[in-house]
Amino acid sequence: DAGVTQSPTHLIKTRGQHVTLRCSPISGHKSVSWYQQVLGQGPQFIFQYYEKEERGRGNFPDRFSARQFPNYSSELNVNALLLGDSALYLCASSLVRRSGTEAFFGQGTRLTVV
Amino acid sequence: EDKVVQSPLSLVVHEGDTVTLNCSYEVTNFRSLLWYKQEKKAPTFLFMLTSSGIEKKSGRLSSILDKKELFSILNITATQTGDSAIYLCAVGSAATGTASKLTFGTGTRLQVTL
Repeated sequence: DAGVTQSPTHLIKTRGQHVTLRCSPISGHKSVSWYQQVLGQGPQFIFQYYEKEERGRGNFPDRFSARQFPNYSSELNVNALLLGDSALYLCASSLVRRSGTEAFFGQGTRLTVV
Repeated sequence: EDKVVQSPLSLVVHEGDTVTLNCSYEVTNFRSLLWYKQEKKAPTFLFMLTSSGIEKKSGRLSSILDKKELFSILNITATQTGDSAIYLCAVGSAATGTASKLTFGTGTRLQVTL
């Protein structure tokens, strides 16, 4: 059974560009959340999607957006990239949207903005 | 603002030692506390705790939650070099009426030497 898969694994972009990161949750999981992890810190919550609707948003600017598709996969989009957006972006999937269930993470996408 | 604090920040032990990692939290609408091990990229799920005083065990690892004092500990006995990693504590909360999120601590970096 495949775990959470993310693509691409690494990405280098220039300031001002935009980027799209992709995530496929574990089969049967309907909730996908996105997190940003900068070096030396714990992951920070960006978005949660459940049943194709945004259910929660962290303290991130409007340059960050996401969506979830009918097959429950998800995309995270970041526009007008800044150097400070360089980080590991993690996707987590869980069976239900309540926090009382385990969340499983993908390998992440390492984004470097130059 | 939700807050999770882990201690110590880093730890170096000899193989065979027992270690205790600490996690304290202040969150609104607590749902669960989760422990993850992060070696390179993906945080790997270890435990989820929702009830006070009930120890969860998996091999040499165990964890317990105290919801009155708002903390959890993760114990690792007979440490091995393969236990070297960053251990992340996360608290699941209901961010809004319909959303849920994980708030992470900065992690404890454990290094096990021969």
